[in-house]
Amino acid sequence: GPKVLQIPSHQIIDMGQMVTLNCDPVSNHLYFYWYKQILGQQMEFLVNFYNGKVMEKSKLFKDQFSVERPDGSYFTLKIQPTALEDSAVYFCASSFTRLVFFGKGTRLTVV
Amino acid sequence: QQQVRQSPQSLTVWEGETAILNCSYEDSTFNYFPWYQQFPGEGPALLISIRSVSDKKEDGRFTIFFNKREKKLSLHITDSQPGDSATYFCAAISNTGYQNFYFGKGTSLTVIP
Repeated sequence: GPKVLQIPSHQIIDMGQMVTLNCDPVSNHLYFYWYKQILGQQMEFLVNFYNGKVMEKSKLFKDQFSVERPDGSYFTLKIQPTALEDSAVYFCASSFTRLVFFGKGTRLTVV
Repeated sequence: QQQVRQSPQSLTVWEGETAILNCSYEDSTFNYFPWYQQFPGEGPALLISIRSVSDKKEDGRFTIFFNKREKKLSLHITDSQPGDSATYFCAAISNTGYQNFYFGKGTSLTVIP
């Protein structure tokens, strides 16, 4: 089936540095999402994105977070600066209609 | 964004038993409810889904029961197998011009052999 690719699968970064998580969504999809999951526990909604704009974001989507999809390429989540509590697995998802597909996640470790 | 609530947070059953995972929602415009299954180290994958015009959807050992009036649904896994051990997420989608997709926080299921 359609695949959402997340690159890289694992990233280690020093606290305070900037990190960009990349998501290659399914090609004709219009809706994009980021979720955060810590230690295989609950999936926490961060943000959704449609038509070039953030439609909805949660309290976890701090000011240090930003998303964009320049020129229909990767859908990115940027964290600047990173903090220790940002360590988690970040899942990207995309959809065209009701079928929402998830990537395998990027494990971010902030040291 | 807690429009979809799941219970229990974790559930343990013996092999062969029926596992029942619960979900409730807030918004009456939700009209499509997918359930996702996630294994450790993987992303959530669509397992089974139901539209709000139906009250039951069955796929093998997996059945969704839907109560529109009470805004509740449940996923029943009959004859549970150790391979069913995973986290299960309930989600809800509405289409009111802009598609809203809400994802529950998940139920972690463990099936003991």
